[in-house]
Amino acid sequence: AIQLTQSPSSLSASVGDRVTITCRASQGITSALAWYQQKPRKAPKLLIYDVSSLHSGVPSRFSGSGSGTDFTLTISSLQPEDFATYYCQQFNSYPITFGQGTRLEIK
Amino acid sequence: QVQLVQSGAEVKKPGASVKVSCKASGYSFSNSDISWVRQAPGQGLEWMGWISPYNGKTIYAQELQGRLTMTTDTSTSTAYMELTSLTSDDTAMYYCARVVGPGPPYNWFDPWGQGTLVTVSS
Repeated sequence: AIQLTQSPSSLSASVGDRVTITCRASQGITSALAWYQQKPRKAPKLLIYDVSSLHSGVPSRFSGSGSGTDFTLTISSLQPEDFATYYCQQFNSYPITFGQGTRLEIK
Repeated sequence: QVQLVQSGAEVKKPGASVKVSCKASGYSFSNSDISWVRQAPGQGLEWMGWISPYNGKTIYAQELQGRLTMTTDTSTSTAYMELTSLTSDDTAMYYCARVVGPGPPYNWFDPWGQGTLVTVSS
């Protein structure tokens, strides 16, 4: 199975900060990567698919980039509602796998 | 709007089975596949498997093979996930999600159901 390693595992930041989360795959996954946001006691929500395609309704301060094995999610200017846990997901091959998550907390 | 509504929380004893439902609305049920994902308390997301309501084809995570069965009822636009021989390790929130994208496995999940908490305890 393809393993996804996110870094950092947790992150403290302030409103207005620029934040970058990294997701590294154990082997190449072309552009088969998505990002999800999960708030406490809620289901995950799709943010980005195909590495950099912004899901409908997602604010433009979210962006994704990368290729092969290294990918990033960037939030250009943190808003209060962005404090949550973020997961990357690969869909290059079965089994579908997720990163372990990055918890974004208020500083 | 596209919505997935899951059945309520369950408490089961070790060795028992659980069946969770996921009712879809707002789209043509047969035209989109369904995946199930679980999340143990305080842990990350674990993909369990995938089913096509169109032809009933399934793919299960290897570690759940033999205990997991996914089915659909197109007449009620409902997907089901049944897990047998439960242990405490199966205590988790279980989510269904609509599969979107060009074709398996090249798919992502949107939206997700609200989740069903399954607790396994003696």
